[in-house]
Amino acid sequence: QSALTQPPSASGSPGQSVTISCTGTSGDVGAYNYVSWYQQHPGKAPKLIVYEVTKRPSGVPDRFSGSKSGNTASLTVSGLQAEDEADFYCSSYAGSNNLVFGGGTKLTVL
Amino acid sequence: QVQLVQSGAEVKKPGSSVKVSCKASGGTFSSSALSWVRQAPGQGLEWMGGIIPIFTTAKYAQKFQGRVTITADKSTSTAYMELTSLRSEDTAMYYCAGRGWELDYWGQGTLVTVSS
Repeated sequence: QSALTQPPSASGSPGQSVTISCTGTSGDVGAYNYVSWYQQHPGKAPKLIVYEVTKRPSGVPDRFSGSKSGNTASLTVSGLQAEDEADFYCSSYAGSNNLVFGGGTKLTVL
Repeated sequence: QVQLVQSGAEVKKPGSSVKVSCKASGGTFSSSALSWVRQAPGQGLEWMGGIIPIFTTAKYAQKFQGRVTITADKSTSTAYMELTSLRSEDTAMYYCAGRGWELDYWGQGTLVTVSS
């Protein structure tokens, strides 16, 4: 399975919104609503912030939102805060009991 | 809240094997899926495979087929990941993570260093 495609970097100023894309194929992102997003701060384990395309685990601020159109999923971070600076990864179920990740996007808060 | 605690860091020689453990507490170990994900230094996340302990049968990413074995011991709520024929490119942080196709809770990671 090929990795999902994410932009290597994204940036925004405090208070602004930024959107990170995650492009797959009709065999993964386009086929299933099992797209998740993870936030990883340096030296820490990843943290689930969005699952099943649009759902947020308890405790995750509603500034984080997910969506999907065709083979591309997106994560939008609204009202950027300094602590949002991190690496973000998407993942998707890819059929046949397989999971695939994106290459990751480094978000910088200017 | 489920907690996953992994075994400690390992240093291995090329060609050898490593077995990492992941002990769960505070939840329903047997019926939840548990995946293994690795992250090479400065690189992204890579799914290696997973298991639902109650079913015992594991599923592996194609890249690791034949080199990785994932097992689970329901009696101790512990999952294991064994990787054989280690090479330098296997140097990475290895995480166990659980719940389903969304990885809701993560272990602290186990650093495996492969070096001669």
